[in-house]
Amino acid sequence: NAGVTQTPKFQVLKTGQSMTLQCAQDMNHEYMSWYRQDPGMGLRLIHYSVGAGITDQGEVPNGYNVSRSTTEDFPLRLLSAAPSQTSVYFCASSWGARQPQHFGDGTRLSIL
Amino acid sequence: QQQVKQSPQSLIVQKGGISIINCAYENTAFDYFPWYQQFPGKGPALLIAIRPDVSEKKEGRFTISFNKSAKQFSLHIMDSQPGDSATYFCAANSTSGTYKYIFGTGTRLKVLA
Repeated sequence: NAGVTQTPKFQVLKTGQSMTLQCAQDMNHEYMSWYRQDPGMGLRLIHYSVGAGITDQGEVPNGYNVSRSTTEDFPLRLLSAAPSQTSVYFCASSWGARQPQHFGDGTRLSIL
Repeated sequence: QQQVKQSPQSLIVQKGGISIINCAYENTAFDYFPWYQQFPGKGPALLIAIRPDVSEKKEGRFTISFNKSAKQFSLHIMDSQPGDSATYFCAANSTSGTYKYIFGTGTRLKVLA
């Protein structure tokens, strides 16, 4: 049972490039979320989904897109990377709103 | 109103001591309060969680105390061990509305051997 798998683990981009961070879970969880973690700021919610085909914005959605075509996958797209998007990105999933969130091990993204 | 304020930012405790981390919130719609533990290079993992209908929840050496009227909750780690050295995050969520967790800014705990 792999849990939540994030790929890649590390990535370096140039300003203006686009890329997709992958997140897959094998627990049949309906709820999935993307967070970014920056020093001294905790985890901030970017986008979330409560089921296939349903997504919504979190606290810091600008510059990011998501889609949820299957229960298992929840990719995060950076449309035009900016240095301010340098961060560690975490994907999480859970059974429901009051259930534990299971986190992946993160993608460390640097934008030059 | 959406913030969760966490303190202290860092904490150093002797082995066997009690570690206490505090969080305060403003949004009275929050009704689920988990604590997460994160080791370097890893994602956060749920440690313990509480709902506002109880004032305290204990799991092993970890206890959450909840004060609904003061809108505060805290994590107590009894008999702290070097293996507890990690970053701890409190969080809050309103389960009746959108699925939007708000996290505190984290507390870096170091337990000295």
